[in-house]
This record gives sequence, structure tokens and C-alpha cells, in this order.
Amino acid sequence: GEDVEQSLFLSVREGDSSVINCTYTDSSSTYLYWYKQEPGAGLQLLTYIFSNMDMKQDQRLTVLLNKKDKHLSLRIADTQTGDSAIYFCAENTGRRALTFGSGTRLQVQP
Amino acid sequence: GAGVSQSPSNKVTEKGKDVELRCDPISGHTALYWYRQRLGQGLEFLIYFQGNSAPDKSGLPSDRFSAERTGESVSTLTIQRTQQEDSAVYLCASSPPRGGSNEKLFFGSGTQLSVL
Repeated sequence: GEDVEQSLFLSVREGDSSVINCTYTDSSSTYLYWYKQEPGAGLQLLTYIFSNMDMKQDQRLTVLLNKKDKHLSLRIADTQTGDSAIYFCAENTGRRALTFGSGTRLQVQP
Repeated sequence: GAGVSQSPSNKVTEKGKDVELRCDPISGHTALYWYRQRLGQGLEFLIYFQGNSAPDKSGLPSDRFSAERTGESVSTLTIQRTQQEDSAVYLCASSPPRGGSNEKLFFGSGTQLSVL
């Protein structure tokens, strides 16, 4: 199908690691993205990965890409209360507008 | 301004009325997108403008929805004869000319539309 799929909800304790998963649809996707949406705000680009990479690290964020399974994950180390938000993955096939998943709501408990 | 600006931030209207939503993209950004986000749901693609190319309107849900963009500047999304199911946040995003196929979107904070 055409859907980018994500689990709806994740709850973690402050200081733990969070792992948010995404399954995308198009094996020819060139770039995959993670966006963050805080309450009442638009989406903010967090990080992205090119399809010829299998891992990208950016401070507390680690992106893992499994092209064979079309699976993307975002790991947030030492999760803080300020990380509470909705996280969206998105794929770019270069042929149409970015396709977003339905978002994963991350709740960080003190 | 430095970011994508959308107006109004909130719009309450009566069923059957027409509404017009405005998006000012970041200067120099060639691509502009409209997405819809219903409460608790993901982003639903509506329409995509890229430079002078014909817009991709494949996401517009019905002929009550239309959008225009003049050159690489302001865009307006018009919803005619609004229905209650049109209630949502309408998000606009723009992106700079592509470096390869990497398309980084910059989002506005959206227009919350409520149809009574």
C-alpha cells in the first residue's frame, strides 16, 4: 500500500533511551526523514538519512535504516521531558511530495 | 520573517461558508506544500507546487478544495462550502531548491480550522 506506518504511542522514563519505529513503502526512496511536532506547532526536521547509509548519528539521535525490510528507526538517548512530542517519519521517492507516517506520540515520564 | 508564516492561526466558520487560508513561504524556496492534519492523526498530503511546474493536486479530497500560488511566493488554499469533516489543522511547508533529491521541508505552525 501507500501508507508509511508507525506505532501510535511510546512511553519512557526520563533518562532511558527511546526507540521509535517506522515502516515505509517505496524501496526506491532516496531520503528518509524524522520530524518532531510539539503541541500547537508545525513540524520541525530533526534528522534525515540517505538511502545508501544504514546508520546516522547526530548527538543524542541515532537513525538506523534497514533497506531490505524498509524499516527506519529513531533512537533518542538519555530521553528528556523536552523530547515529549509527536515524531513523524517521512519518505522521499523524488517523484512526489513527501509521504508522512501517522506519527508516534512520545511521552516522557519524570 | 525568517520562517513559513500562515494566517489566520485560527478560523471558525459555519458549515457551507467558504474559507481562504494563506501561506507565506520562506523567501527563495521554490517548493510549497499543503498538508491537512486531523485531530490525533498524521499528515494528509493535499497539493504540491514546485517552481513553474504544474502543481501536483493529487491529494485534494474534493473539488471544493483548490489552491493557487503566484510564482514562488504566497499561496492560498480555498475551501468552498465547508463541511464539518473539513475541521483540521492545515499545514503549509516550503523547501529550498533541491540539492539532489534531498527535500527538507520547513513548516508553518498551521491554521486550525473549525467548521461548526
